[in-house]
Amino acid sequence: EADIYQTPRYLVIGTGKKITLECSQTMGHDKMYWYQQDPGMELHLIHYSYGVNSTEKGDLSSESTVSRIRTEHFPLTLESARPSHTSQYLCASKGLDREDTGELFFGEGSRLTVL
Amino acid sequence: AQTVTQSQPEMSVQEAETVTLSCTYDTSESDYYLFWYKQPPSRQMILVIRQEAYKQQNATENRFSVNFQKAAKSFSLKISDSQLGDAAMYFCAYRLISNFGNEKLTFGTGTRLTIIP
Repeated sequence: EADIYQTPRYLVIGTGKKITLECSQTMGHDKMYWYQQDPGMELHLIHYSYGVNSTEKGDLSSESTVSRIRTEHFPLTLESARPSHTSQYLCASKGLDREDTGELFFGEGSRLTVL
Repeated sequence: AQTVTQSQPEMSVQEAETVTLSCTYDTSESDYYLFWYKQPPSRQMILVIRQEAYKQQNATENRFSVNFQKAAKSFSLKISDSQLGDAAMYFCAYRLISNFGNEKLTFGTGTRLTIIP
């Protein structure tokens, strides 16, 4: 299994709360990604990072924000959660370009429910 | 924009039998990767098999093989000798090779595979 970890795995919170989903990888990967996945649906890219201090928005508009202060850490934050944010959030990383096989390594996901 | 279509939301197969999952994609590019990812319930998504578009030979990984038809933009996954551990959601995905920097994967909607003992 890949060395990429997400916490919490499951979170149920009330509307208006601030939440942070943690993602860490121990592989030294520069590129990291956040995908949003609704049940029975495809994954949609919401944020990505090429390295420290680099963050970009993905294809799917999201009210969440991300930061990349350290290579191994790529947290996602929702300042004020709403029921529409209920979803599964998957973190992924990719190896160095010179070792590029195209493969993404995924965490186990964080399933968020906002009441 | 690239799109990936999986027309089978659910499939089932008897244990030890063979099953084929379908995937089609739309792109105007010539250099790209195609992937099949497996997502077991409550577990990490993992890569099953990868195909580079410039390779004519179909990729194989043990019991998993693909039928890559570039002209038809079709990329099906065949699972032989199905095992209970193969039960999962399977996602087909596409990625440009030449799009240096932002190597975004475009995913299909997935196929839920059930293995019948």
